[in-house]
Amino acid sequence: GAGVSQSPRYKVAKRGQDVALRCDPISGHVSLFWYQQALGQGPEFLTYFQNEAQLDKSGLPSDRFFAERPEGSVSTLKIQRTQQEDSAVYLCASRKTSGRTGELFFGEGSRLTVL
Amino acid sequence: AQKVTQAQTEISVVEKEDVTLDCVYETRDTTYYLFWYKQPPSGELVFLIRRNSFDEQNEISGRYSWNFQKSTSSFNFTITASQVVDSAVYFCALEVRGGSEKLVFGKGTKLTVNP
Repeated sequence: GAGVSQSPRYKVAKRGQDVALRCDPISGHVSLFWYQQALGQGPEFLTYFQNEAQLDKSGLPSDRFFAERPEGSVSTLKIQRTQQEDSAVYLCASRKTSGRTGELFFGEGSRLTVL
Repeated sequence: AQKVTQAQTEISVVEKEDVTLDCVYETRDTTYYLFWYKQPPSGELVFLIRRNSFDEQNEISGRYSWNFQKSTSSFNFTITASQVVDSAVYFCALEVRGGSEKLVFGKGTKLTVNP
């Protein structure tokens, strides 16, 4: 597609439910990032993929968070047993290359509200 | 530790005024990249500029200009003759060395340009 596409745009979950957030990066983009943005804060890094390999997951806040990119394109961020503190906008970004060159393109995010 | 500080939480100006958004960063790396992103109400982060730590030349792009000063670890952003469409949250970010090239963001400055 023309840009990074994320779905759903809005998700309301009851505490304890599992959720899955999807990211469709720009076709052919090698690098894929997930960021978490709490209300009134800057985005915070969660995890990074280079093709299908998850090279950095140091930002995942707990073992309830899991991300995958099995075929090196679409990625899913899964949150198990959601808690209220998981409420945030989850941003996905992709870059054409694996190096530092090239612009990072962000999606519009998935806003998760945990009740 | 890598850190980005945007001391101004909110700024309100009247159209056509010039406005400067401040950004101060901390890093021990000698090679790094600095970024500015714009986040309109739609939520998508829009890339504005990337600056290499070795390039201290100021840059101008239309009504936008950036002042990078390594001596004070600052990378300030000025909008000249602001317009209502400039209203958004602006984020300064620092790229961390290492395999993932993840970004560390400041908390953002919300700019409101009033007609």
